[in-house]
Amino acid sequence: GAGVSQSPRYKVAKRGQDVALRCDPISGHVSLFWYQQALGQGPEFLTYFQNEAQLDKSGLPSDRFFAERPEGSVSTLKIQRTQQEDSAVYLCASSPTGNGYEQYFGPGTRLTVT
Amino acid sequence: AQRVTQPEKLLSVFKGAPVELKCNYSYSGSPELFWYVQYSRQRLQLLLRHISRESIKGFTADLNKGETSFHLKKPFAQEEDSAMYYCALRLGGGSYIPTFGRGTSLIVHP
Repeated sequence: GAGVSQSPRYKVAKRGQDVALRCDPISGHVSLFWYQQALGQGPEFLTYFQNEAQLDKSGLPSDRFFAERPEGSVSTLKIQRTQQEDSAVYLCASSPTGNGYEQYFGPGTRLTVT
Repeated sequence: AQRVTQPEKLLSVFKGAPVELKCNYSYSGSPELFWYVQYSRQRLQLLLRHISRESIKGFTADLNKGETSFHLKKPFAQEEDSAMYYCALRLGGGSYIPTFGRGTSLIVHP
């Protein structure tokens, strides 16, 4: 079956623009994670959903970042008033279990803020 | 706060040579440790986890609590092992947030 998909794969935004990144998890997966991966670094946790509930958003770097998963399936990560430091690859992962023990990653969205 | 250190940014070996990718962590409790791999132009995927005590694609990793390490080893490297490898830690007790190291790029020369 299809794996986790993310769109767009690449996004160039001018500083100050708002962007929305989409994640389609594997059907039936309960947990969904968002990560930010800066160049040369490992993924860093942003936020976590169990079904439609956002159980942890402690990794969101500022209040410009907002994520939702209204029907417990597709998720959107929104970044308002983008800054250059937001340039990174944004990864989404889904898991069939509530604790996210085995995560399946999407291909990522590469965001470049100019 | 917990931390994962992968001291080598790049590891270069010849085919057939043994390989060891180092991972050290800082956490006083009983963590869950994982290795993830990302092959060229592919997505990040789980390679193995310490709790399973498994060998995947010839790779093994043993959790050494005394040295707080979880090094990834393979006795005979293959060219297809060339990839980016990330060590990750989760706190025990049902915590779901992983902490990743910065990754080690393994290049296996023919």
